[in-house]
Parts: sequence; structure tokens; C-alpha cells
Amino acid sequence: AQSVSQHNHHVILSEAASLELGCNYSYGGTVNLFWYVQYPGQHLQLLLKYFSGDPLVKGIKGFEAEFIKSKFSFNLRKPSVQWSDTAEYFCAVNSDRGSTLGRLYFGRGTQLTVWP
Amino acid sequence: ETGVTQTPRHLVMGMTNKKSLKCEQHLGHNAMYWYKQSAKKPLELMFVYSLEERVENNSVPSRFSPECPNSSHLFLHLHTLQPEDSALYLCASSQDWRSGANVLTFGAGSRLTVL
Repeated sequence: AQSVSQHNHHVILSEAASLELGCNYSYGGTVNLFWYVQYPGQHLQLLLKYFSGDPLVKGIKGFEAEFIKSKFSFNLRKPSVQWSDTAEYFCAVNSDRGSTLGRLYFGRGTQLTVWP
Repeated sequence: ETGVTQTPRHLVMGMTNKKSLKCEQHLGHNAMYWYKQSAKKPLELMFVYSLEERVENNSVPSRFSPECPNSSHLFLHLHTLQPEDSALYLCASSQDWRSGANVLTFGAGSRLTVL
């Protein structure tokens, strides 16, 4: 089975600081990669996704992520965070083939707290 | 609103009670899911329904019983739960569960507390 690792459980930043959240996955085949975000009291929503093509993908609210296949990584970045970015961020992976086709595996999540 | 509505948002029940969680999607999707979200753990996939047929049961105890009467509605029937079942239960839907490019739309969740 696939696994997704998010090494940072809680990140605390001041506004305007740069952000990078790590995500590594275990599957060696073709993967699709996602970042979801859960703002306090709100539903999980898609932040960005990678299926193919340019490994640098841009999402909503100024977030971007880079797929590095050789490192099995899909790290999330934002050059300057805002207080409103305080939320929990989840990395997720699925594959295009095999017994786990379509099944979405999530990491444990990283809580981001941004101080104004 | 995401197009996926869950009720109730909060539920407190005793271990001998029987209750149900409800999920409704207005997106015209063909697949619906139940996930369990516990603190400090990855989201756990519980069940997947595609066109009202259960296509995955991820070794979930029988005290959780899903029901999908049509492609827009999904229930999770609960009975004789344990305190460790306390969690946020998330419903999600997607257009096609067997596609790798499968983007899920989540509801806000039902916060369950078992006393």
C-alpha cells in the first residue's frame, strides 16, 4: 500500500514569512498528487493538484507545489504567508493503475499557525 | 457550501444507542465516500460507493453500516459504538472513483462523540 509522510506536524510562522511544507510518498509508479486544506471549522478543500506536465503547479491563494519524482516529494510552498492561511494542510496521493487505482491516500496533516 | 451536505454536524451518543449520519451531494457525482478523521492520524477511507454499489469496505467494524439508496445520498448507520470511534466523519463525492485524476469534494463533517 502507498503511504504519505508529512514530517512537520505543526508549523508556526509570522506573517510575511515564507512557507514550505514537506510531503513524501512511497509509491514507485505513476502518481497523482494533491494538497488539500482545512480552515478552522470548514470543510476540506482542494488547494492544488498535479497529474502530469510541468512539475511546478500553482494553486489558489498563492500556493504552489513542486513534484520531484526522484525524491518522491511534492512540497507545498508560499513565498509570504498571511494570518488567513492558518489551517491544516493535507498531502494526498493516488495512482493510475493497480489494485489501488483511484484510492486516495492522505498524510497526517500539518497544522500551520500564522501570527499576525 | 461545497455541494456536499452532512447532517448532523455534531452528535453525542452512548455506546448502546443507534444513530445515523447523513450525506447528500448536489454535484451529479457518481461516487460517494465515508472517511474517518481522528486527531494526529491520516484520514482513513471507510467505504466507497459507485453508482449506489459498494465498491470498497476498508476493513471497517460491523458496528458501522453504510447505506446508499441513490447516487445523491449516503448514510452511515451507527450502533454499539466504542469511545475510540469518536472522530470527525467526512463524506465526499467525486465524478469517477476509478480514475486517478479523481478530485474529491468533501462535506463539512459530522463530529461524533461516543460516551
